[in-house]
Amino acid sequence: DSGVTQTPKHLITATGQRVTLRCSPRSGDLSVYWYQQSLDQGLQFLIHYYNGEERAKGNILERFSAQQFPDLHSELNLSSLELGDSALYFCASSGGLASNEQFFGPGTRLTVL
Amino acid sequence: GQNIDQPTEMTATEGAIVQINCTYQTSGFNGLFWYQQHAGEAPTFLSYNVLDGLEEKGRFSSFLSRSKGYSYLLLKELQMKDSASYLCAGRSGGSYIPTFGRGTSLIVHP
Repeated sequence: DSGVTQTPKHLITATGQRVTLRCSPRSGDLSVYWYQQSLDQGLQFLIHYYNGEERAKGNILERFSAQQFPDLHSELNLSSLELGDSALYFCASSGGLASNEQFFGPGTRLTVL
Repeated sequence: GQNIDQPTEMTATEGAIVQINCTYQTSGFNGLFWYQQHAGEAPTFLSYNVLDGLEEKGRFSSFLSRSKGYSYLLLKELQMKDSASYLCAGRSGGSYIPTFGRGTSLIVHP
């Protein structure tokens, strides 16, 4: 158990819908990272927040957005969902801004039908 | 970001030694990571190398050669539970965000 929690564990929804994925980092960690993992793409970095501020953006679609709240939990919002958005979404946390070790949550498996 | 290359799949026998290779772009290199990921589970951190040489951690060791843009993960005394995907990830330039390879699926058989 990494100490990072993610909800929900599974999510099944239809194309065109909007969903919110939630992540709580390890106690004391200020950084939260979001990743998407699909079978054909591997683990893709989406976005990084540090102490409430967006610090880095990866291959995140405009239909996706995220935020980190004052209590340091983070939410990833996915809208206008497409079949291709079906994937495992992982959140990871670390203590500092550029830590060498990231602790991954168990992931949310999103299925878009 | 980085361009990480690693084999797609490897098989090995329980009790044996296996070496999983990873190559990356040397330009602006700033650290190499290895993670283990069991099917359907979260990646877990194994090692971080930024200087040349071998770092040993129990049955697992990681090696880095910066001049060759090359790393390997060495797993000794293989156990069935070592069957997993091993992700190589590199950092480069001014970015602290690692770029992950597609992973090497290791199958350990009796």
